[in-house]
Amino acid sequence: GDSVTQMEGPVTLSEEAFLTINCTYTATGYPSLFWYVQYPGEGLQLLLKATKADDKGSNKGFEATYRKETTSFHLEKGSVQVSDSAVYFCALSANAGGTSYGKLTFGQGTILTVHP
Amino acid sequence: SAVISQKPSRDICQRGTSLTIQCQVDSQVTMMFWYRQQPGQSLTLIATANQGSEATYESGFVIDKFPISRPNLTFSTLTVSNMSPEDSSIYLCSAPGQENTEAFFGQGTRLTVV
Repeated sequence: GDSVTQMEGPVTLSEEAFLTINCTYTATGYPSLFWYVQYPGEGLQLLLKATKADDKGSNKGFEATYRKETTSFHLEKGSVQVSDSAVYFCALSANAGGTSYGKLTFGQGTILTVHP
Repeated sequence: SAVISQKPSRDICQRGTSLTIQCQVDSQVTMMFWYRQQPGQSLTLIATANQGSEATYESGFVIDKFPISRPNLTFSTLTVSNMSPEDSSIYLCSAPGQENTEAFFGQGTRLTVV
């Protein structure tokens, strides 16, 4: 079945440091890929998405590129802030006829802590 | 995007009792989804709620423990039945966005069973 693997955490960085959180996936067909963020005590928020190979999703300074050849969707940010401290989840949605129905498979999550 | 309202946001319940969680979407959607997030863990899909038919449960989840209702295209409930401390988790509902290429989530229900 489908699966998502994220780098082991937690990740601790100083403010303005560069962030990479690795994510690889296993899926049949051509899934859509997502990064969700969960701030302390809150639900999940969609951070960015990519629906086909070589697409780059971006939002709030975060980026991730859909790499079909390496089955990866690594999250990057050039300069993190204290407010970026949260749990980040990589996820995929299997496409049926090119349409995702919102059923997601999640990675295990990566806790990011950014210190001033 | 879709706005999803979920309630209650949290509850503390006695073992052996049941809790019903409500989820309201601001637009009509064919499917809604219920997830469980155990402490410090990722999200696991419990079931898919289809309007007008029985929910489809994932492996390890059964209807007697997690009955789901889906009376219309904007609303669903999940009941956690005969609770035990092991049911202490965050329960989240989700629905696809209008472009049908992403999922949006409610804020979650933090359940503690004592």
